[in-house]
Amino acid sequence: DAGVIQSPRHEVTEMGQEVTLRCKPISGHDYLFWYRQTMMRGLELLIYFNNNVPIDDSGMPEDRFSAKMPNASFSTLKIQPSEPRDSAVYFCASTSTGEQYFGPGTRLTVT
Amino acid sequence: AQSVTQLDSHVSVSEGTPVLLRCNYSSSYSPSLFWYVQHPNKGLQLLLKYTSAATLVKGINGFEAEFKKSETSFHLTKPSAHMSDAAEYFCVVSDPGDDKIIFGKGTRLHILP
Repeated sequence: DAGVIQSPRHEVTEMGQEVTLRCKPISGHDYLFWYRQTMMRGLELLIYFNNNVPIDDSGMPEDRFSAKMPNASFSTLKIQPSEPRDSAVYFCASTSTGEQYFGPGTRLTVT
Repeated sequence: AQSVTQLDSHVSVSEGTPVLLRCNYSSSYSPSLFWYVQHPNKGLQLLLKYTSAATLVKGINGFEAEFKKSETSFHLTKPSAHMSDAAEYFCVVSDPGDDKIIFGKGTRLHILP
Protein backbone atom coordinates (compact mmCIF):
# COMPACT_ATOMS: atom_id res chain seq x y z
CA ASP A 1 0.00 0.00 0.00
CA ALA A 2 1.17 3.53 -0.76
CA GLY A 3 0.19 4.80 2.66
CA VAL A 4 -1.89 7.88 3.33
CA ILE A 5 -1.61 10.30 0.43
CA GLN A 6 -2.03 14.04 0.80
CA SER A 7 -2.06 16.75 -1.80
CA PRO A 8 -0.76 19.28 -2.38
CA ARG A 9 2.42 18.94 -0.32
CA HIS A 10 2.90 22.70 -0.27
CA GLU A 11 0.36 25.45 -0.78
CA VAL A 12 1.00 29.17 -0.78
CA THR A 13 -2.00 31.43 -1.11
CA GLU A 14 -3.11 34.94 -0.40
CA MET A 15 -5.38 35.93 2.42
CA GLY A 16 -9.02 35.63 1.44
CA GLN A 17 -8.54 32.83 -1.05
CA GLU A 18 -10.16 29.42 -0.77
CA VAL A 19 -7.85 26.51 0.01
CA THR A 20 -8.67 22.82 -0.44
CA LEU A 21 -6.51 20.10 1.04
CA ARG A 22 -6.95 16.51 -0.06
CA CYS A 23 -6.42 13.15 1.56
CA LYS A 24 -6.59 9.55 0.40
CA PRO A 25 -6.58 7.14 3.36
CA ILE A 26 -5.17 3.65 3.38
CA SER A 27 -7.55 1.24 1.72
CA GLY A 28 -9.66 -0.63 4.26
CA HIS A 29 -9.25 1.92 7.03
CA ASP A 30 -12.58 3.12 8.36
CA TYR A 31 -11.38 6.10 10.40
CA LEU A 32 -9.92 9.29 9.00
CA PHE A 33 -8.51 12.17 11.05
CA TRP A 34 -7.45 15.72 10.15
CA TYR A 35 -4.82 17.44 12.32
CA ARG A 36 -3.14 20.81 12.29
CA GLN A 37 0.39 21.36 13.58
CA THR A 38 1.97 24.71 14.47
CA MET A 39 4.92 25.69 16.61
CA MET A 40 2.68 27.62 18.98
CA ARG A 41 -0.11 25.10 19.47
CA GLY A 42 1.50 21.78 18.64
CA LEU A 43 -0.63 19.02 17.11
CA GLU A 44 -4.38 19.65 17.19
CA LEU A 45 -7.16 17.29 16.14
CA LEU A 46 -9.57 19.17 13.88
CA ILE A 47 -12.15 16.54 12.90
CA TYR A 48 -12.49 12.83 12.40
CA PHE A 49 -14.73 10.52 10.39
CA ASN A 50 -15.88 6.96 10.85
CA ASN A 51 -17.22 5.19 7.77
CA ASN A 52 -17.34 8.54 5.98
CA VAL A 53 -19.49 10.15 8.68
CA PRO A 54 -18.13 13.08 10.71
CA ILE A 55 -18.04 12.02 14.36
CA ASP A 56 -16.40 14.91 16.16
CA ASP A 57 -15.69 18.32 14.64
CA SER A 58 -15.19 20.15 17.92
CA GLY A 59 -11.60 20.92 16.97
CA MET A 60 -12.53 22.83 13.84
CA PRO A 61 -11.47 26.39 14.68
CA GLU A 62 -14.35 28.26 13.11
CA ASP A 63 -16.91 28.28 10.32
CA ARG A 64 -14.27 29.08 7.76
CA PHE A 65 -13.15 25.46 8.04
CA SER A 66 -15.15 22.58 6.59
CA ALA A 67 -14.36 18.92 5.89
CA LYS A 68 -16.05 16.29 3.81
CA MET A 69 -15.61 12.62 3.11
CA PRO A 70 -17.76 11.74 0.08
CA ASN A 71 -16.45 8.16 -0.05
CA ALA A 72 -14.12 5.78 1.73
CA SER A 73 -11.11 6.76 -0.35
CA PHE A 74 -11.21 10.53 -0.32
CA SER A 75 -11.55 13.46 2.06
CA THR A 76 -11.14 17.21 1.76
CA LEU A 77 -10.46 19.99 4.22
CA LYS A 78 -11.49 23.40 2.96
CA ILE A 79 -10.68 26.83 4.32
CA GLN A 80 -12.72 29.74 2.97
CA PRO A 81 -11.64 32.48 3.30
CA SER A 82 -8.09 31.74 4.37
CA GLU A 83 -6.21 33.93 6.85
CA PRO A 84 -2.49 34.21 7.72
CA ARG A 85 -3.12 32.53 11.10
CA ASP A 86 -4.19 29.39 9.21
CA SER A 87 -0.58 28.86 8.15
CA ALA A 88 0.39 25.44 9.47
CA VAL A 89 1.09 21.88 8.45
CA TYR A 90 -2.10 19.89 8.03
CA PHE A 91 -1.93 16.13 8.48
CA CYS A 92 -4.37 13.45 7.54
CA ALA A 93 -4.28 10.07 9.29
CA SER A 94 -6.25 6.86 8.94
CA THR A 95 -6.72 3.72 10.99
CA SER A 96 -8.82 0.64 11.51
CA THR A 97 -7.10 -0.76 14.60
CA GLY A 98 -6.29 2.24 16.79
CA GLU A 99 -2.76 2.96 15.60
CA GLN A 100 -2.95 5.86 13.20
CA TYR A 101 -0.99 6.10 9.97
CA PHE A 102 -0.12 9.64 8.99
CA GLY A 103 0.28 11.23 5.62
CA PRO A 104 3.28 13.44 4.83
CA GLY A 105 1.28 16.60 5.48
CA THR A 106 0.42 19.73 3.54
CA ARG A 107 2.38 22.83 4.45
CA LEU A 108 0.03 25.78 4.04
CA THR A 109 1.30 29.34 3.93
CA VAL A 110 -1.22 32.17 3.79
CA THR A 111 0.28 35.56 3.01
CA ALA B 1 -10.96 11.26 30.52
CA GLN B 2 -7.51 10.36 29.38
CA SER B 3 -4.54 12.70 29.27
CA VAL B 4 -0.83 12.44 28.62
CA THR B 5 2.10 14.46 29.93
CA GLN B 6 5.54 14.47 28.41
CA LEU B 7 7.76 15.71 31.16
CA ASP B 8 10.52 17.23 29.03
CA SER B 9 10.06 19.50 26.03
CA HIS B 10 13.73 19.08 25.03
CA VAL B 11 16.28 16.36 25.75
CA SER B 12 19.92 16.44 24.68
CA VAL B 13 22.18 13.40 24.76
CA SER B 14 25.54 12.59 23.28
CA GLU B 15 25.78 10.10 20.46
CA GLY B 16 26.30 6.59 21.84
CA THR B 17 24.72 7.35 25.23
CA PRO B 18 21.32 6.14 26.46
CA VAL B 19 18.09 7.94 25.66
CA LEU B 20 15.19 8.38 28.09
CA LEU B 21 12.05 10.25 27.09
CA ARG B 22 9.49 10.42 29.86
CA CYS B 23 5.74 10.08 29.55
CA ASN B 24 3.00 9.87 32.16
CA TYR B 25 -0.62 9.20 31.36
CA SER B 26 -4.00 9.38 32.99
CA SER B 27 -6.76 7.00 32.03
CA SER B 28 -9.86 5.57 33.62
CA TYR B 29 -9.39 2.26 31.89
CA SER B 30 -6.62 0.06 30.61
CA PRO B 31 -5.33 2.31 27.88
CA SER B 32 -3.53 1.74 24.65
CA LEU B 33 -0.29 3.69 24.53
CA PHE B 34 1.85 4.68 21.58
CA TRP B 35 5.03 6.51 20.75
CA TYR B 36 5.31 8.34 17.46
CA VAL B 37 8.39 9.98 15.95
CA GLN B 38 8.46 12.97 13.64
CA HIS B 39 11.64 13.83 11.79
CA PRO B 40 12.05 17.40 10.53
CA ASN B 41 9.61 18.27 7.76
CA LYS B 42 8.15 14.76 7.81
CA GLY B 43 4.92 13.14 8.92
CA LEU B 44 4.50 11.13 12.11
CA GLN B 45 5.63 7.52 12.18
CA LEU B 46 4.58 4.90 14.71
CA LEU B 47 7.55 3.74 16.82
CA LEU B 48 5.78 1.25 19.06
CA LYS B 49 2.51 0.51 20.79
CA TYR B 50 1.26 -1.09 24.00
CA THR B 51 -2.15 -2.77 23.99
CA SER B 52 -2.28 -4.79 27.24
CA ALA B 53 0.03 -7.60 26.19
CA ALA B 54 3.66 -7.61 27.31
CA THR B 55 4.55 -4.58 29.43
CA LEU B 56 7.93 -4.17 27.73
CA VAL B 57 7.33 -3.19 24.14
CA LYS B 58 10.00 -3.19 21.47
CA GLY B 59 9.73 -0.83 18.54
CA ILE B 60 11.64 0.15 15.47
CA ASN B 61 15.17 1.58 15.40
CA GLY B 62 16.14 0.00 18.72
CA PHE B 63 13.61 1.87 20.84
CA GLU B 64 11.56 0.26 23.56
CA ALA B 65 9.08 1.37 26.20
CA GLU B 66 7.86 -0.13 29.43
CA PHE B 67 4.28 0.16 30.65
CA LYS B 68 4.20 0.68 34.42
CA LYS B 69 0.66 0.81 35.67
CA SER B 70 1.63 1.61 39.27
CA GLU B 71 3.53 4.68 38.09
CA THR B 72 1.16 5.49 35.19
CA SER B 73 4.24 5.81 33.01
CA PHE B 74 5.29 4.73 29.54
CA HIS B 75 8.84 5.99 29.17
CA LEU B 76 10.71 5.54 25.90
CA THR B 77 14.31 4.32 25.98
CA LYS B 78 17.16 3.39 23.68
CA PRO B 79 20.52 2.05 24.87
CA SER B 80 22.67 4.02 22.46
CA ALA B 81 21.66 7.19 20.64
CA HIS B 82 22.42 7.71 16.98
CA MET B 83 22.54 11.00 15.12
CA SER B 84 19.57 9.88 13.04
CA ASP B 85 17.44 9.72 16.22
CA ALA B 86 17.27 13.51 16.33
CA ALA B 87 13.54 14.20 15.98
CA GLU B 88 10.42 15.04 17.92
CA TYR B 89 8.74 12.24 19.84
CA PHE B 90 5.09 12.11 20.83
CA CYS B 91 3.55 9.95 23.54
CA VAL B 92 -0.06 9.08 22.80
CA VAL B 93 -2.88 7.51 24.84
CA SER B 94 -6.19 6.04 23.81
CA ASP B 95 -8.93 4.52 25.95
CA PRO B 96 -10.62 1.30 24.80
CA GLY B 97 -13.72 2.05 22.82
CA ASP B 98 -12.68 5.65 22.26
CA ASP B 99 -12.08 6.62 18.66
CA LYS B 100 -9.75 9.49 19.47
CA ILE B 101 -6.17 9.43 20.60
CA ILE B 102 -4.63 12.11 22.81
CA PHE B 103 -1.19 13.41 21.94
CA GLY B 104 1.38 14.72 24.35
CA LYS B 105 3.01 18.03 23.52
CA GLY B 106 6.13 16.31 22.24
CA THR B 107 9.77 16.01 23.28
CA ARG B 108 12.45 17.22 20.93
CA LEU B 109 15.50 14.96 21.09
CA HIS B 110 18.86 16.53 20.24
CA ILE B 111 21.89 14.33 19.62
CA LEU B 112 25.27 15.87 20.36
CA PRO B 113 28.29 14.62 18.39
